[in-house]
Amino acid sequence: DAKTTQPNSMESNEEEPVHLPCNHSTISGTDYIHWYRQLPSQGPEYVIHGLTSNVNNRMASLAIAEDRKSSTLILHRATLRDAAVYYCILGSSNTGNQFYFGTGTSLTVIP
Amino acid sequence: EAQVTQNPRYLITVTGKKLTVTCSQNMNHEYMSWYRQDPGLGLRQIYYSMNVEVTDKGDVPEGYKVSRKEKRNFPLILESPSPNQTSLYFCASSLWDWASGIYNEQFFGPGTRLTVL
Repeated sequence: DAKTTQPNSMESNEEEPVHLPCNHSTISGTDYIHWYRQLPSQGPEYVIHGLTSNVNNRMASLAIAEDRKSSTLILHRATLRDAAVYYCILGSSNTGNQFYFGTGTSLTVIP
Repeated sequence: EAQVTQNPRYLITVTGKKLTVTCSQNMNHEYMSWYRQDPGLGLRQIYYSMNVEVTDKGDVPEGYKVSRKEKRNFPLILESPSPNQTSLYFCASSLWDWASGIYNEQFFGPGTRLTVL
């Protein structure tokens, strides 16, 4: 199974950058790294995904280690609305397009 | 509005009484999936479908059935529900990305909270 390891929880001050780490030491060459987040009482929502290169979008940046065994989701300026559980997931056609969400990192944003 | 809808949103039932949770998407997505979410266990994939008439087991398929007769619908069937299937269920759909060869952004429904007594 393609699995990831994340810290159970993290805290950040509002308006400061947040770096959410994810380890995926068993990643294969075809695995993409996906990030989703789940706000309280809502379904998960897509944040970002990438393969090898760092990726940016309007929500966040994804920094992928050169050996691809770890990655970091970067929220550039945390807001109270960013308080959520963040999931790092590996997915590829080689894994049958299964997605293993795990338990994620619960981010608390302190005003 | 592009969305994934699930019905019902809340359901309380008794052990052994067959039930179906419907899921529908209006985005013409090929990929659809069902997850359950339990405290301390995160989200676990039950079944997924890469297109009409193509379904595969996820991490926890026991006790569930699915069908994909139309592209937009992916119902989850519990033939004989048991209390350990009490959970929060999410349906999701996604578009196939031909360039990368994977399913991209998954859109999730609002969830169905099921209680089996």
